[in-house]
Amino acid sequence: NAGVTQTPKFQVLKTGQSMTLQCAQDMNHEYMSWYRQDPGMGLRLIHYSVGAGITDQGEVPNGYNVSRSTTEDFPLRLLSAAPSQTSVYFCASTKRGPPNSPLHFGNGTRLTVT
Amino acid sequence: GQQVMQIPQYQHVQEGEDFTTYCNSSTTLSNIQWYKQRPGGHPVFLIQLVKSGEVKKQKRLTFQFGEAKKNSSLHITATQTTDVGTYFCAGGRGNQFYFGTGTSLTVIP
Repeated sequence: NAGVTQTPKFQVLKTGQSMTLQCAQDMNHEYMSWYRQDPGMGLRLIHYSVGAGITDQGEVPNGYNVSRSTTEDFPLRLLSAAPSQTSVYFCASTKRGPPNSPLHFGNGTRLTVT
Repeated sequence: GQQVMQIPQYQHVQEGEDFTTYCNSSTTLSNIQWYKQRPGGHPVFLIQLVKSGEVKKQKRLTFQFGEAKKNSSLHITATQTTDVGTYFCAGGRGNQFYFGTGTSLTVIP
């Protein structure tokens, strides 16, 4: 039982490049989400999904796309990377979604955009 | 903008001293959760409070949820070096969790 698996752990991009951050969970959780963590800003929600085929925007969705074709996977796509997207990205899942289920976090992806 | 504020942002304590972090929301929350993130790690769930005025304890940690369900606190008695990390509150409302800005705790041996 791996929990929430994120890849890659580290990534360096040049401005304008695109990439996909992978997230997979094996706990049969319906709810999955992406957060970015910046110093002094806490964790800010980018996008979330309450089930396969359903996605919605969080607090800071601009510049990011998501899809949820299966229950297990929830990739985050950066369309055209910008230095402002330098951050640590966490994927998190929970069985039934807010507000009553605790979030299980992946180990994070540290992204640098130059 | 940020809907859940947390203070202080940083706290340095001598080992054995107490520590408290406070969480305040501009709106009523369905519940409040607390997470701990060790340096270089990911947030790990500690506890959830649901009822107005609820108080829960985990060994040296005491968690409170305000009567109006807009604020919460985490108190650690007699800190140890293993308590080092950043503590986040997260308020639930609708389909989203709103995380506080976190309090980074340093414990000086």
